[in-house]
Amino acid sequence: GQNIDQPTEMTATEGAIVQINCTYQTSGFNGLFWYQQHAGEAPTFLSYNVLDGLEEKGRFSSFLSRSKGYSYLLLKELQMKDSASYLCAVLDSNYQLIWGAGTKLIIKP
Amino acid sequence: GAVVSQHPSWVICKSGTSVKIECRSLDFQATTMFWYRQFPKQSLMLMATSNEGSKATYEQGVEKDKFLINHASLTLSTLTVTSAHPEDSSFYICSARMTENEQYFGPGTRLTVT
Repeated sequence: GQNIDQPTEMTATEGAIVQINCTYQTSGFNGLFWYQQHAGEAPTFLSYNVLDGLEEKGRFSSFLSRSKGYSYLLLKELQMKDSASYLCAVLDSNYQLIWGAGTKLIIKP
Repeated sequence: GAVVSQHPSWVICKSGTSVKIECRSLDFQATTMFWYRQFPKQSLMLMATSNEGSKATYEQGVEKDKFLINHASLTLSTLTVTSAHPEDSSFYICSARMTENEQYFGPGTRLTVT
């Protein structure tokens, strides 16, 4: 079966760095997405990785290792507004998005 | 980026009535749209894939006669919750596929059935 694992919840301090991991086992791979979702709102796109390596976009970076079935989202200089759920999703061989359960990130002052 | 709208953003209806939710891609054409449901503190659950001009493909466990999907044009898909019950209260989110790896989400519709 298809499976995506990410931690349920993480806590970090304002101004610090946090890494949210995601491991996946899917039928085929056409890319991995990270989305941010604030409570009561729809997900918003953060990043897309299809090749191995690190993609940096401002305070957020995303890393992919296809051989290990592994990705992480790195958030730097954390701000209170970064408190949200972070969803990892993989595009499988049928170009269907397979979703992880999301990681709730709590930022403390 | 591309914009997807949903209407209404929230709706309250009485048990037994039907509710229609619209999803529109405002600045691109989408041959495929997706409907998701999300219960509190849970992840997105794909309900169905809506293809323009053809019948929707429903995920296992989703009643096609209860959740009617119509994708009449390249910019509009509708989800009708028929004979709604309190357990149908949820956050319904649509997304529209612009290319194979580009998918944009609507803002969501919060449905409360009393």
